Formats: sequence, C-alpha cells, structure tokens
Amino acid sequence: QSALTQPASVSGSPGQSITISCTGTSSDVSGYNYVSWYQQHPGKAPRLMISDVSNRPSGVSNRFSGFKSGNTASLTISGLQAEDEADYYCSSYTTTSALVVFGGGTKVIVL
Amino acid sequence: QLQLQESGPGLVKPSETLSLTCTVSGGSISRSGFYWGWIRQPPGKGLESVGLISYTGKTYYNPSLQSRVTISVDTSKKQFSLKLNSVTAADTAVYYCARLGGNSVHFDSWGQGTLVVVSS
Repeated sequence: QSALTQPASVSGSPGQSITISCTGTSSDVSGYNYVSWYQQHPGKAPRLMISDVSNRPSGVSNRFSGFKSGNTASLTISGLQAEDEADYYCSSYTTTSALVVFGGGTKVIVL
Repeated sequence: QLQLQESGPGLVKPSETLSLTCTVSGGSISRSGFYWGWIRQPPGKGLESVGLISYTGKTYYNPSLQSRVTISVDTSKKQFSLKLNSVTAADTAVYYCARLGGNSVHFDSWGQGTLVVVSS
C-alpha cells in the first residue's frame, strides 16, 4: 500500500502562511472527498484538524484550512504561531482493502 | 466525551503474537456508520493504518499486514482487539486505537497510544 506523498518539512516565520501538499491517485485523493489532516505534537496522539477536504471540527482554529484540486490536497496554516510547530499527516479514503491511507508526514518548523 | 484506552503487553518476543485491546468509554461502540481502528507509528516514522472493524464485525485490513492481522470486537465489553502474529522488530511501534467518523473517513477520537517493543 503506497502512502500519500507529502514534503518532509515546511517552514515559515510567525505570522506567515504556509501550505502543505498531499499527493495521491485516482484510487484515493482525486477520486473521493474524504481527505483529512492531523496534527501531532511530540509524544502525543494525532489530533483531527480537517475532515472531508475542508471541514474544520469544532475547536480547531480558523487559521487552518483545507483544499483539493485533482490528485493533490493541501493544508494551509495562516498566521503561523509557535504552537503550530508539529508533524502534520494527511489521510484519504482508498479503494484498497485498507479503506484508509496516510501520507508520510510533514514537519512544520516555525522559524 | 468519547474516550479510548489501549491496553496490553509492552514487550513481545519475535515470532510471537502481539495482542492489544482498546476500551471505549463515554459513548456507544455500537453506533451504525462508525468504524474502530488500529493505527501504528514506528519510532521516528509516520502513521500506518493497521485495520478497522465495525460493531457488526466487518473488517478492513492493510494489505501489507493482512496475512498476519486479526481485529475483533466485543460490544458487551465495549472493546475491540488487535492480534498481530509472527512479529518482528519491524512491528515495534506506538499502537493507537481510534474511531473512524460516522459516514466519513476520518479519525475523530484517538487513544493515547501504547508502545509495543518486539525484542527477545
């Protein structure tokens, strides 16, 4: 099962905006609107930040937004803050027997 | 508020079977449209879905692990379990249990995770 493709790291200064990409195939990202994004701080469980491409669960800052075009989904963090420094994972429905596939993860560095 | 808690041995010998249980509290395990899953994370690496189960027992497994994995559910105890046999050092990871959101495909509640080390 091939993981979705994410950049290893993305960095930005406080107050800036950054975008993390997540590339898949027609069997997952481009075929269905079931892309989600998770934030994970060291030693902690992942936290859902975006579901169904662009929906923000209750309690998630509106500085986080999701989008999808073709086989690439993206997560944008605007007004970058020190607390946003973490690993971010995308995930998608997949037609394989796994039902769910994750990206390899992106480390966000706040300069 | 829904809570999930993993339990099981933290050390397993190579070639033996890894067994973990996830106990659900603060909500029903028997709600239609939800799945209960196991996700693992090797030290310093990314997340990998191991498998999912519904309260009716319908399962989905990662193709790369399918031959070694069994996930089961006990609704009376509000628990679901993972068995991974013939383990090797490559199965060393933090194992999370989580709920897959209703009528969608995202994990909206997670356990804290438990580290399982495969070593003799």
